Amino acid sequence: DTAVSQTPKYLVTQMGNDKSIKCEQNLGHDTMYWYKQDSKKFLKIMFSYNNKELIINETVPNRFSPKSPDKAHLNLHINSLELGDSAVYFCASSQGGGAGANVLTFGAGSRLTVL
Amino acid sequence: GDSVTQMEGPVTLSEEAFLTINCTYTATGYPSLFWYVQYPGEGLQLLLKATKADDKGSNKGFEATYRKETTSFHLEKGSVQVSDSAVYFCALSRSGTYKYIFGTGTRLKVLA
Repeated sequence: DTAVSQTPKYLVTQMGNDKSIKCEQNLGHDTMYWYKQDSKKFLKIMFSYNNKELIINETVPNRFSPKSPDKAHLNLHINSLELGDSAVYFCASSQGGGAGANVLTFGAGSRLTVL
Repeated sequence: GDSVTQMEGPVTLSEEAFLTINCTYTATGYPSLFWYVQYPGEGLQLLLKATKADDKGSNKGFEATYRKETTSFHLEKGSVQVSDSAVYFCALSRSGTYKYIFGTGTRLKVLA
C-alpha cells in the first residue's frame, strides 16, 4: 500500500511538449505539495494545496499549473516544456501543514527529462 | 526569511566511523526541526524530528538535539554502516505556515 504514489516514474519528452504528472495519497492528509529537485539535489517548494485550495504558489513559471480535484489528488501539468524543466518532481502530503510538527510524506518522485 | 544551512558534502566515512552532519537554521519564533533521508532512486523519508528547544530526536541510531542558543540541529550517529549511504536533508517548519524549508542536502558515502 503506497502512501503517496506518483505516475509516471520516468518521463522523457521533447522541448515544447505538454506533459502531466499525477499524484495520489491514501493517508487521509489534507495538504499536498509539489517539490522540484534539481541535479544538485536542491529541493524547492513549487505549490501546496490544503483541502483543494491553493495556499502556496512560489515563483514558478505560468507554464506550470497544478490541479487538485479532491484532497487526495494533486496533479501537475506543464506546458511548452523547456530544457531547464528537467528535474525530479516530488509530490508530498501532510496533515495540517502549518501546525509545525507535522511530517511530510513523499512520493518516490517523477524524473522528467526534456530533450 | 527562514533558512537552513547544511555542511557541504560529500562526506565519506569508513564503516563504524562516527558521523556528524552540521545543520544550522534561521527562523523567527520556534520552528520544528527535521532530518529527512533520501536513498538512491527514492523519495525523502523522515529520519527524526524535534519540536522544541532541548528536544532530542532519535531513530535507527541517529540522533539530533534542538539547540536554540546555537540555532543548530546537528545529526550524529556513533557507528555508520554501508546501508546509511544516502543524502541527508535538514529542514524546518513554523507553526502557522505551510512551508517546509529544506537545506541543500549532504551526501554521505560509507565505505566497507
